[in-house]
Amino acid sequence: QVQLVESGGGVVQPGRSLRLSCAASGFTFSSYGMHWVRQAPGKGLEWVAFIWYDGSNEYYADSVKGRFTISRDYSRDTLFLLMNSLRAEDTAVYYCAKEGGAWGSGEYFQHWGRGTLVTVSS
Amino acid sequence: EIVLTQSPGTLSLSPGDRATLSCRASQSVSSYLAWYQQKPGQAPRLLIYGASSRATGIPDRFSGSGSGTDFTLTISRLEPEDFAVYYCQKYDDSPRTFGQGTKLEIK
Repeated sequence: QVQLVESGGGVVQPGRSLRLSCAASGFTFSSYGMHWVRQAPGKGLEWVAFIWYDGSNEYYADSVKGRFTISRDYSRDTLFLLMNSLRAEDTAVYYCAKEGGAWGSGEYFQHWGRGTLVTVSS
Repeated sequence: EIVLTQSPGTLSLSPGDRATLSCRASQSVSSYLAWYQQKPGQAPRLLIYGASSRATGIPDRFSGSGSGTDFTLTISRLEPEDFAVYYCQKYDDSPRTFGQGTKLEIK
């Protein structure tokens, strides 16, 4: 079955960097678009970033554009989120999510990981 | 940028009641609208995609309708496990915006 397991969260000082990972299994990783979604404590869901199934395009929320970079490693079936210049408002649980259809045919979020908590604090 | 507005913010109902949740888009998203359920401490779960298609394993008491700018999630008879927060999301293109959520609570 599909599994998405995030890691890399923790406490980090403002202005520093952190890289999140999402290990994928149970499906053909190279066939699906992948996303990062975050949720600040007690708040709603915020879409963060998206990378095409073939890695050829990336999209970002305005709130993270220029600071965060999404990437994927097909040899390890792993999705990454490199977060630079972190701010207190980036504090959230970060989820990775897999699209429902291969090759962009169903771009809703069918599978989600359990999330990893990032806390930005001095 | 398209904004999704969900109403009501909180809905207080009893088990066995019918629940009607609304999601309105500031511009048309055609049928590229999904609904998710989230319980405390858990990841969201896909309920509905394509505005009206139930995801795998979702009970048929959940149904979605609408297209363009106005969408509805209906839960025909509430079960105790249905009390949660519900989000709509557009996925026609990026940004893949979510609504602010509707909390369905036990009356």
